[in-house]
Amino acid sequence: KNEVEQSPQNLTAQEGEFITINCSYSVGISALHWLQQHPGGGIVSLFMLSSGKKKHGRLIATINIQEKHSSLHITASHPRDSAVYICAVRWNSGGSNYKLTFGKGTLLTVNP
Amino acid sequence: DTAVSQTPKYLVTQMGNDKSIKCEQNLGHDTMYWYKQDSKKFLKIMFSYNNKELIINETVPNRFSPKSPDKAHLNLHINSLELGDSAVYFCASSHGWLGVGAFFGQGTRLTVV
Repeated sequence: KNEVEQSPQNLTAQEGEFITINCSYSVGISALHWLQQHPGGGIVSLFMLSSGKKKHGRLIATINIQEKHSSLHITASHPRDSAVYICAVRWNSGGSNYKLTFGKGTLLTVNP
Repeated sequence: DTAVSQTPKYLVTQMGNDKSIKCEQNLGHDTMYWYKQDSKKFLKIMFSYNNKELIINETVPNRFSPKSPDKAHLNLHINSLELGDSAVYFCASSHGWLGVGAFFGQGTRLTVV
């Protein structure tokens, strides 16, 4: 079983602030995903990482395989970034069997 | 054009009924998925299909069955619906098996009464 923990559970920020959301897991993985779920419920896949760092616009995702930890950063946050951010890990459960475990999400609210 | 579309968006039905949720993608992806999001907003993968072959079948009740008539469609059939099946169901697709879809449908809110 892979335990996936996200922190913080809730985060409130002022527009323009730098945001960091964390995800840690207990078992070695083959990939980690970051998802964004908008207040209306729609889900957008943001990043898939297996090592290093990825950047898309104001979003940056990093992963440290040795420490079993990933961070999602948002620079110059904006109210439209308000959403739930979800981490998911893909891991090998034995042989050619892969499993997927989701974190419980981080609710981000950015105030104007 | 909607990349991944699910129908219906809302479904209210009585316990014991059988229902289906349809999913279609026009992205040419070869892998499709179904996820369940419960009342606490926790996501869980249910099934994934790659080239019409079932890759993952998580520990879901066998009342749930995925049906893929072709690469662009993955429908979810649910028999003998129970109150605990009430949730939001998301379809997604990707090129190759990633575990998490690259594109998601808008979700189907199923309420069993």
